[in-house]
Amino acid sequence: EAQVTQNPRYLITVTGKKLTVTCSQNMNHEYMSWYRQDPGLGLRQIYYSMNVEVTDKGDVPEGYKVSRKEKRNFPLILESPSPNQTSLYFCASSFGDLGTEAFFGQGTRLTVV
Amino acid sequence: KQEVTQIPAALSVPEGENLVLNCSFTDSAIYNLQWFRQDPGKGLTSLLLIQSSQREQTSGRLNASLDKSSGRSTLYIAASQPGDSATYLCAVSNAGGTSYGKLTFGQGTILTVHP
Repeated sequence: EAQVTQNPRYLITVTGKKLTVTCSQNMNHEYMSWYRQDPGLGLRQIYYSMNVEVTDKGDVPEGYKVSRKEKRNFPLILESPSPNQTSLYFCASSFGDLGTEAFFGQGTRLTVV
Repeated sequence: KQEVTQIPAALSVPEGENLVLNCSFTDSAIYNLQWFRQDPGKGLTSLLLIQSSQREQTSGRLNASLDKSSGRSTLYIAASQPGDSATYLCAVSNAGGTSYGKLTFGQGTILTVHP
């Protein structure tokens, strides 16, 4: 089954404790990205990757890091989480040629206390 | 900068009604427009994808239209059912520049279909 898998689904952590949210897709997609969803602000892009070792900032990259060492994986790293990073996070993937359908993971609900 | 607006923000209808959700975008230079469904606490499920060269797409009781020049799309749901209750999101993929592959989302329409 074609899917984007995120882990964990739920996470509560404390301010400053480094964490990683994993994302993996099994569709051989070149393009992957991370979004956060907040009430009243909708979904906003954090980072994206057009292929292995190629990443770039989205609209709200501050406080986040990403890496793309393998085509299927695109982890989101919060080096020093803060309460304003409490949000619902989604990973998405699509083929590299433009105009193709985007597939989303089930989401990770992160709470930073 | 692309902006996407969805109207109405919320909609409550009795079962069986046909309904229309609206989406508008400010920059007509798009590659495609995608409609998603989001259930509470869940991920996004793709419903329909319309390429910029297309006028409409259909899947079952759903029909989405696109008028790129006027920056508008509609999602038509026929014979609504309680199981259609969810948030519906519209997203556009912009052409060119550094916005490669990026989706810009509307705020969504919260649909409630009551028996």
